[in-house]
Amino acid sequence: AQSVTQPDIHITVSEGASLELRCNYSYGATPYLFWYVQSPGQGLQLLLKYFSGDTLVQGIKGFEAEFKRSQSSFNLRKPSVHWSDAAEYFCAVSGSSNTGKLIFGQGTTLQVKP
Amino acid sequence: GAGVSQTPSNKVTEKGKYVELRCDPISGHTALYWYRQSLGQGPEFLIYFQGTGAADDSGLPNDRFFAVRPEGSVSTLKIQRTERGDSAVYLCASSRQGNTEAFFGQGTRLTVV
Repeated sequence: AQSVTQPDIHITVSEGASLELRCNYSYGATPYLFWYVQSPGQGLQLLLKYFSGDTLVQGIKGFEAEFKRSQSSFNLRKPSVHWSDAAEYFCAVSGSSNTGKLIFGQGTTLQVKP
Repeated sequence: GAGVSQTPSNKVTEKGKYVELRCDPISGHTALYWYRQSLGQGPEFLIYFQGTGAADDSGLPNDRFFAVRPEGSVSTLKIQRTERGDSAVYLCASSRQGNTEAFFGQGTRLTVV
């Protein structure tokens, strides 16, 4: 069965520091992978997605993620965090190109210290 | 509208009552999805519509949950005989087709007391 694990429930970083949020997935074939952000009172917003090709994908708001098949990982990174990045981040997987039917991880809450 | 609209934003109901949650997708989006997000968890898929028909309802937890989309636009999620465990945020998403980016609404927070 497909599953997504986000090992870190809560992460705190200082503003301007780099960020890496971890995501591990379980899926038999090549997965379609996504990162979403959810700010308080806002809907989920797609940051980036990986379908195939270049394993390093660029997204909005300066985020990037790298697909590593050997590690079943799709970690999200940002070189310099801004206070406005404080939010909850979800990694998700789909077994097909149906990009609306997703299995989400538990989420990682990001707190940014001034 | 500009985005996916869900009403009401908050709903408090008594155990055993019937509730309806409404989703207005982005105009022109043929695919529509319902998710449930419990506190501290990621969203869980409930049902997917392509047009008027439910293409995949594998995520509905039991027969108390039902969803319709009679004209291929607005969708209603219906929950009968609500239980306290149904308390969650119910999210709706829509996309132009099944293989394009899905846009999420802000959700309906359902509290069963």
